[in-house]
Amino acid sequence: GNSVTQMEGPVTLSEEAFLTINCTYTATGYPSLFWYVQYPGEGLQLLLKATKADDKGSNKGFEATYRKETTSFHLEKGSVQVSDSAVYFCALIQGGSEKLVFGKGTKLTVNP
Amino acid sequence: SQTIHQWPATLVQPVGSPLSLECTVEGTSNPNLYWYRQAAGRGLQLLFYSVGIGQISSEVPQNLSASRPQDRQFILSSKKLLLSDSGFYLCAWGEGVSYTGELFFGEGSRLTVL
Repeated sequence: GNSVTQMEGPVTLSEEAFLTINCTYTATGYPSLFWYVQYPGEGLQLLLKATKADDKGSNKGFEATYRKETTSFHLEKGSVQVSDSAVYFCALIQGGSEKLVFGKGTKLTVNP
Repeated sequence: SQTIHQWPATLVQPVGSPLSLECTVEGTSNPNLYWYRQAAGRGLQLLFYSVGIGQISSEVPQNLSASRPQDRQFILSSKKLLLSDSGFYLCAWGEGVSYTGELFFGEGSRLTVL
């Protein structure tokens, strides 16, 4: 079945550090890939997405590139801020499915 | 604009008691509706989803159930809670999810079973 594996957290960084959160997936065919973010005490919200190989999703300084050859969708940001502290979820959806499959989430804490 | 409301926000219940969590969506018609549970160390687990009134798909066998009595209302229930039912429950809606993959989440209900 379809699955998403993302790096275990928690991740703790200083402000302005470079961020990478790894995500790999297992799926039949060519899924669409997503990163969702959950700020403390809130529900999840879509951060960025990519629907086909080599697409790059970007939003709020975050980027992720759909790599079919490595089945990966790693999240990156060049300079994190304290306000980026949250839990980040990688997810996929298979074409024709109504169900999003999420990874376990990676908690990021950014210290000033 | 569309909004999603979920309540109660916090709930503390004894083992064996019943549960009812309610979710309503405004500003859209015939959305897909979802219940997810977020438990410590286990990530986000899909419990139920619905593509229409009275249509419920169960993803995980357990003592929980879901119902969709109206187009924009989704209810999560249990007749007898277990300790393992503790967690953060999130309701979500989406349209054309198979194409967009975008879900809009409520703010969650934190359930503690004692």
